[in-house]
Amino acid sequence: GAVVSQHPSRVICKSGTSVKIECRSLDFQATTMFWYRQFPKQSLMLMATSNEGSKATYEQGVEKDKFLINHASLTLSTLTVTSAHPEDSSFYICSARVSGGRGYGYTFGSGTRLTVV
Amino acid sequence: GQQLNQSPQSMFIQEGEDVSMNCTSSSIFNTWLWYKQEPGEGPVLLIALYKAGELTSNGRLTAQFGITRKDSFLNISASIPSDVGIYFCAGQSGGSNYKLTFGKGTLLTVNP
Repeated sequence: GAVVSQHPSRVICKSGTSVKIECRSLDFQATTMFWYRQFPKQSLMLMATSNEGSKATYEQGVEKDKFLINHASLTLSTLTVTSAHPEDSSFYICSARVSGGRGYGYTFGSGTRLTVV
Repeated sequence: GQQLNQSPQSMFIQEGEDVSMNCTSSSIFNTWLWYKQEPGEGPVLLIALYKAGELTSNGRLTAQFGITRKDSFLNISASIPSDVGIYFCAGQSGGSNYKLTFGKGTLLTVNP
């Protein structure tokens, strides 16, 4: 089945530094990927839609200069949290849309736990 | 924006019991998906529903796409301890943005 690999699984960084999270589709091409943020005991909140070869589409309230998304190839999307602050600490999850026989589904990465100290 | 109302918020059951959870929406969805998430992991797809009225099973799990296209339920039969986790419904309304709308989740605890 379709597999999405997300790295790193955990990262601790100092306040003010930038962190890059990678999301790769391993056995399929993903023209569209999604980035979510999840706070403890809450649901997934869509941050942005990543489109291969074009600019990402950000949800309302998400700072595009803060959360830089690059989708340079059909198998890789990256999320860079720039000038991270403690309030950026969260669980970030990527997802890719997968076309199948009956329709399409969405496969998720295993998530990245970001802690900003 | 679109919202999904998922209930119950949490459930505490004994091993062997059956479980039912559901999601409702004020707007129509073309696809309903049910996911399970365990701590520190991403959601894993359990069942995908693409047609109104569709009833689909995956082992002990059964889900249905409501005939009005505004609701879906997930049943788990004969629960076991490894069923513990958070279950999310998600809907996709069509259109070119392909965005999913998630419910708030149902936390399931199974007592051995």
